[in-house]
Formats: sequence, structure tokens, C-alpha cells
Amino acid sequence: EAQVTQNPRYLITVTGKKLTVTCSQNMNHEYMSWYRQDPGLGLRQIYYSMNVEVTDKGDVPEGYKVSRKEKRNFPLILESPSPNQTSLYFCASSPSDIFKNIQYFGAGTRLSVL
Amino acid sequence: AQSVSQHNHHVILSEAASLELGCNYSYGGTVNLFWYVQYPGQHLQLLLKYFSGDPLVKGIKGFEAEFIKSKFSFNLRKPSVQWSDTAEYFCAVTDTGFQKLVFGTGTRLLVSP
Repeated sequence: EAQVTQNPRYLITVTGKKLTVTCSQNMNHEYMSWYRQDPGLGLRQIYYSMNVEVTDKGDVPEGYKVSRKEKRNFPLILESPSPNQTSLYFCASSPSDIFKNIQYFGAGTRLSVL
Repeated sequence: AQSVSQHNHHVILSEAASLELGCNYSYGGTVNLFWYVQYPGQHLQLLLKYFSGDPLVKGIKGFEAEFIKSKFSFNLRKPSVQWSDTAEYFCAVTDTGFQKLVFGTGTRLLVSP
């Protein structure tokens, strides 16, 4: 089954404790992206990657890192999480040029930073 | 930069009522437009999309949207809503200048039985 898989689905952590949210897709998509969803703000892009070893900042990249060493994986790293990063995170992928293709979303990761 | 406005933040309807959710975008060039839906506790799913051609596009579950270029709008409609349409609806746009999907802030629809 074609899907985007995020882990974990739920995570509670404390300020400053490094964490990684994994994202994997099995559709051989070139484009992958991370979003955060906050009430009243919709979804905002954190980082995106157009292919392996190619990543770029989205609208709200501060406090986050990403890497794209393999085509299928696009982990989101919070080196020193803070309470303002408490949010619902979605990973998404798209076949190639995002202008021409729809995005497929993972089930989401709900993160609470205490 | 591209931006998307959804003016209705919360909409409450009774079953069988008609629905129209507004969406306006800011960029005047070539755009692709989307409506995504997020059912309670679930991930986003594509409802419908407009790339080119007929400005009236039909999606899943009886939804449709009309692209009006002169108004920079892509409003979502459904003639008769059902309780199962309770969800949050997001309008989104991509354009040729940027490699990203820009979302509106979303509209929460509650349909009472």
C-alpha cells in the first residue's frame, strides 16, 4: 500500500531533550516536506526536499533540522525542543515537481514539549 | 509571497443544507489550486484539485469547486451536506515561482444531524 509513515504518532518530551520524528514513503517520490499545524494558523511548511541531499527552508524553519540521505526517508530533528514547538506535525511527499503533483500526507505526529 | 485566505473559520450547518466555503489567493500568475480535508483524528486527504481546463472541478463525496481567475477565488461547494462531512477543510495553492504548497488557515465545518 502506498503511504507516508510517520513515527512516533504521539510524543511528550521536556525542553532541551533532542528528538527525531521519522518520515518514510514507499512511493519513490522525489519531493518531501514537513509541516506544522497550529490552531488558527493552518499548516505551515518547515522544510522541504526536492531530492536526495537537497533540502531547503520553508516558512518556519527555526529550531528544526532535516536530512535527506535516502530518497524514502526525511527525518525531522529538534535539537533543543522548546514549548513553542508543541504542535501537530505532518510529513508529506510528492512525485516530483510540486507544482504539477498532489501531496500525500502522513498520519501526523502530535508533539508536546513541557 | 503567495498567501491564501479562508474567511470562514467555523461553519455550522444542519444536514441537507448547502455549503460554500470561500478561498482567495494572492498571486496573479499561473497557479494550481487544491482543497484538502482533514476528518477528526485523521491526516489530510485531497478533496479536489484544479490544474487547468474546466474551471468547475468535481471531487470526491459530491464536492465541487469553481476557479474564478478574475476574483482569485476557488470556492468549495456541496449542495447537501451530511453529518460525515464534519471536518476541517483547507484550501491550498502552488505556483510556478515557489516549490511549496501554501495553505489557508482552514475552516472547521460542523454538521449537525
